Amino acid sequence: KQEVTQIPAALSVPEGENLVLNCSFTDSAIYNLQWFRQDPGKGLTSLLLIQSSQREQTSGRLNASLDKSSGRSTLYIAASQPGDSATYLCAPGGSARQLTFGSGTQLTVLP
Amino acid sequence: DVKVTQSSRYLVKRTGEKVFLECVQDMDHENMFWYRQDPGLGLRLIYFSYDVKMKEKGDIPEGYSVSREKKERFSLILESASTNQTSMYLCASSTKGHYEQYFGPGTRLTVT
Repeated sequence: KQEVTQIPAALSVPEGENLVLNCSFTDSAIYNLQWFRQDPGKGLTSLLLIQSSQREQTSGRLNASLDKSSGRSTLYIAASQPGDSATYLCAPGGSARQLTFGSGTQLTVLP
Repeated sequence: DVKVTQSSRYLVKRTGEKVFLECVQDMDHENMFWYRQDPGLGLRLIYFSYDVKMKEKGDIPEGYSVSREKKERFSLILESASTNQTSMYLCASSTKGHYEQYFGPGTRLTVT
């Protein structure tokens, strides 16, 4: 059964810093990996989807990498802003199209 | 843009009531999913569906059932609500080939 770990559980940084969120998973037989953000009390917003054949994916200030063989993904956020404050979740997708979620990294960007 | 809507943002029900949570997506997605999210436990998959009238159990199906009579609509049913079903319920959908999941805003259900 897939297990997903996200480190750190919480992170507080001053505005403008570049930061890295880490995700590790136990079963490398994945089809893709998706990163989401979740604001308090709200649903999930998809940030990036990396297919298993890809090494990285970029969207604006966000860059996600995937090392499938070692069971790791990172989300890099450049020039962080207070509006980036949220919980970030990673979710590898298995053969049955299901996602398994980590418990998330709660990010606070201080003005 | 993909839009996934859920029938209620907040719902309060009594123990033993039958509860229906509705989810509708407007992008002709084949796959639909129901999750619940609890503090300390994260998101867990309850049921999913690949097509109309098809359903598959997820990790925690006990106490729940689902219905998918039309492609755009996926309903989660709590046959007899219990207090341990108090949670945030999230619906998602994805296409057959691409698999990127899009989520609705969630329904916070309280069972008293």
